[in-house]
Amino acid sequence: DAGVTQSPTHLIKTRGQQVTLRCSPISGHKSVSWYQQVLGQGPQFIFQYYEKEERGRGNFPDRFSARQFPNYSSELNVNALLLGDSALYLCASSLAGGTIQETQYFGPGTRLLVL
Amino acid sequence: DQQVKQNSPSLSVQEGRISILNCDYTNSMFDYFLWYKKYPAEGPTFLISISSIKDKNEDGRFTVFLNKSAKHLSLHIVPSQPGDSAVYFCAASEEGSGGGADGLTFGKGTHLIIQP
Repeated sequence: DAGVTQSPTHLIKTRGQQVTLRCSPISGHKSVSWYQQVLGQGPQFIFQYYEKEERGRGNFPDRFSARQFPNYSSELNVNALLLGDSALYLCASSLAGGTIQETQYFGPGTRLLVL
Repeated sequence: DQQVKQNSPSLSVQEGRISILNCDYTNSMFDYFLWYKKYPAEGPTFLISISSIKDKNEDGRFTVFLNKSAKHLSLHIVPSQPGDSAVYFCAASEEGSGGGADGLTFGKGTHLIIQP
């Protein structure tokens, strides 16, 4: 069975540009969460989507946005990139969107470098 | 303020011995705890979890212990193997949230090195 997939694997952008990252959840999972991991830190929660609706949002500026499609895949958009946005962006999928205690399964991540 | 703390950035253990990784938390609303393992250039891989209604959960070589009164959990790996060398993250989710509305809260990780 395919796990969580993310694209692209690596990306280089310059300050002020916009970026779109993509994620496909595990088959049968209806929830996608996005996390940012900077070097030396643990992943930090950005968004969770369940059944195409935003269920939760972490402490990130409005430059960060996301959406979920009818096939449960998701996109994370970041506008007006800053140097500090350089990080590994992780997507995680889960079955029921966090309404019960459940495990989130992570993809390999997209490494974004902002120059 | 960090709600999940892993105070040991690194830990070195001999192959075959027990590895014990520790995690402390401050939010009493956390009710579900998970351990993830991460190799360089890969995403975190789920290892084992525990609900706050339990104090121990075992899966093969991995056992997680939860001490709610001390707000402390630990991951035991017995016996340690070279392939266990990785960064281990402790994560927690809040009561009723299940990791949804507030996501998972992670510690900074502990780099476990298994020496031959």
